Amino acid sequence: KAGVTQTPRYLIKTRGQQVTLSCSPISGHRSVSWYQQTPGQGLQFLFEYFSETQRNKGNFPGRFSGRQFSNSRSEMNVSTLELGDSALYLCASSLVKGNEQFFGPGTRLTVL
Amino acid sequence: GIQVEQSPPDLILQEGANSTLRCNFSDSVNNLQWFHQNPWGQLINLFYIPSGTKQNGRLSATTVATERYSLLYISSSQTTDSGVYFCAGANYGGATNKLIFGTGTLLAVQP
Repeated sequence: KAGVTQTPRYLIKTRGQQVTLSCSPISGHRSVSWYQQTPGQGLQFLFEYFSETQRNKGNFPGRFSGRQFSNSRSEMNVSTLELGDSALYLCASSLVKGNEQFFGPGTRLTVL
Repeated sequence: GIQVEQSPPDLILQEGANSTLRCNFSDSVNNLQWFHQNPWGQLINLFYIPSGTKQNGRLSATTVATERYSLLYISSSQTTDSGVYFCAGANYGGATNKLIFGTGTLLAVQP
């Protein structure tokens, strides 16, 4: 069974631009969560989706948004990029809430 | 919210040595996972261990849920064990899948 996939793997943007990251969960998994990893803040929870509904959101500004499609694939969007948004963005999927979570390879975003 | 503390923050070992990594939680969790982050950034699942003991090859983990801690044991370490180890927990009482991560243990295994 294929693992969690994320695209693109690397991305370079400039301040003020917007970006969309994509995550395809393991087949059959319905819960998708997003995390941001930076050297200063570590791994932080962004948001969580289940059945196309956002179930929880971390402490991030409204520039960070996401959605989940009927096939459980998820996208996250960051608008008006800032230098501090440079990070590794990780997506995780699980069968349902409460199960073991599996992570994708991540998207490394650099904002110049 | 839940606070996760990992120790030690850094660890240097000679190949063949054993080590124990610890994870303490400020509140009860009903999901606890250990990960190894590879050099490319991906989090590799080691254990899903809300309670009890599990073993996988040279690695084993024990979670004592009532005392809010978990231990990861690495025996006969190899250079390929190097990297960052994270523990993370979640409490589903609030109907969330949100994992709270520790700050990690950076392990370096020298030949």
